[in-house]
Amino acid sequence: TQLLEQSPQFLSIQEGENLTVYCNSSSVFSSLQWYRQEPGEGPVLLVTVVTGGEVKKLKRLTFQFGDARKDSSLHITAAQPGDTGLYLCAGAGSGTYKYIFGTGTRLKVLA
Amino acid sequence: NAGVTQTPKFQVLKTGQSMTLQCAQDMNHNSMYWYRQDPGMGLRLIYYSASEGTTDKGEVPNGYNVSRLNKREFSLRLESAAPSQTSVYFCASSDTDNTEAFFGQGTRLTVV
Repeated sequence: TQLLEQSPQFLSIQEGENLTVYCNSSSVFSSLQWYRQEPGEGPVLLVTVVTGGEVKKLKRLTFQFGDARKDSSLHITAAQPGDTGLYLCAGAGSGTYKYIFGTGTRLKVLA
Repeated sequence: NAGVTQTPKFQVLKTGQSMTLQCAQDMNHNSMYWYRQDPGMGLRLIYYSASEGTTDKGEVPNGYNVSRLNKREFSLRLESAAPSQTSVYFCASSDTDNTEAFFGQGTRLTVV
């Protein structure tokens, strides 16, 4: 069974601070997604990365896929209260066609 | 554009009761999924359907059954609810496997 561990599990920061969330596994993934989920809603896709070492930027969010495709990180620059939510990574293994979700990082950005 | 619609949004069951969670998508997607979400455990896949007419077990299928009624609809049935099935259930769909999944708003189920 492929497992995806996210750290930290909880993060509370002040508006304007930077932060990094990590998603780690001992397994290799063919692709990895990051989702954000707000209370009472389903997750919404932020980005998909497929190539080892790939970096994608979405405004103040920077996503990186590890060279070995076993890990990923999400960096937020100058966090804002609107960034508050649950961040989930999800990896698809080679030869499978379903994503396994990570344990989640709950972020709270205080104004 | 409704996307993925789940019903009901909230449900309380007594232990041993049965119920069916309904899910429909209007995006003409081939693949549909049922997940459960519990605190500290992210989303765990219960069952999925890669295409109309096929269903497969996910990580935590015990105690559940599914039906892919047609391309639009994918239902999840609890035959005899147990307190361990208290959770938030999400249905999702995607165009093909390994592409963006679109989620419904979830069903919060409590089994007492």
